[in-house]
Amino acid sequence: DVKVTQSSRYLVKRTGEKVFLECVQDMDHENMFWYRQDPGLGLRLIYFSYDVKMKEKGDIPEGYSVSREKKERFSLILESASTNQTSMYLCASTLGPTGANVLTFGAGSRLTVL
Amino acid sequence: KQEVTQIPAALSVPEGENLVLNCSFTDSAIYNLQWFRQDPGKGLTSLLLIQSSQREQTSGRLNASLDKSSGRSTLYIAASQPGDSATYLCAVIWNQFYFGTGTSLTVIP
Repeated sequence: DVKVTQSSRYLVKRTGEKVFLECVQDMDHENMFWYRQDPGLGLRLIYFSYDVKMKEKGDIPEGYSVSREKKERFSLILESASTNQTSMYLCASTLGPTGANVLTFGAGSRLTVL
Repeated sequence: KQEVTQIPAALSVPEGENLVLNCSFTDSAIYNLQWFRQDPGKGLTSLLLIQSSQREQTSGRLNASLDKSSGRSTLYIAASQPGDSATYLCAVIWNQFYFGTGTSLTVIP
């Protein structure tokens, strides 16, 4: 089975801190995604990447950046965390053309910004 | 832009009941549709992927159907169990994944 591993399950940070959320997948998937999930708003796409060093903005990229230096690793960066970035962050990956194959999620990272 | 709706937002049923969860989408030009399960505080687990050329897909007690022309998919759960309690989300797929906000299911023992 494909495994998508998110390095931190729970984080508590202060306003203004830089935050790194790491995601690693072990099945050579081309496509990787970062979503945030908030009650009543569902999943919203922040960024995605379809290849190493490639990135595309999703629906809500403001306040975030990403890095994909290796195929298996996709990092989400909050340059200066704010309280409205308190959320559940979900990483996902899929093989080949988007939608042709199953989208596999990690366990999620619950971020609280104080 | 694709809009995905799941109604009802919450559902409670007694154990053993068969049930149907609904997913509606506004644009019939989809590639595939995927159903997920999410337990509280966890990530999403894929249940079924229906290709656009398929009408339905089955896995154990789960059966998902797809009617592209009417913009609808249903997830049928047979003989529900307390362990089925979770939030169920659908995602329609074109150039990206478009998610519904989910149906929270509680199966009462």
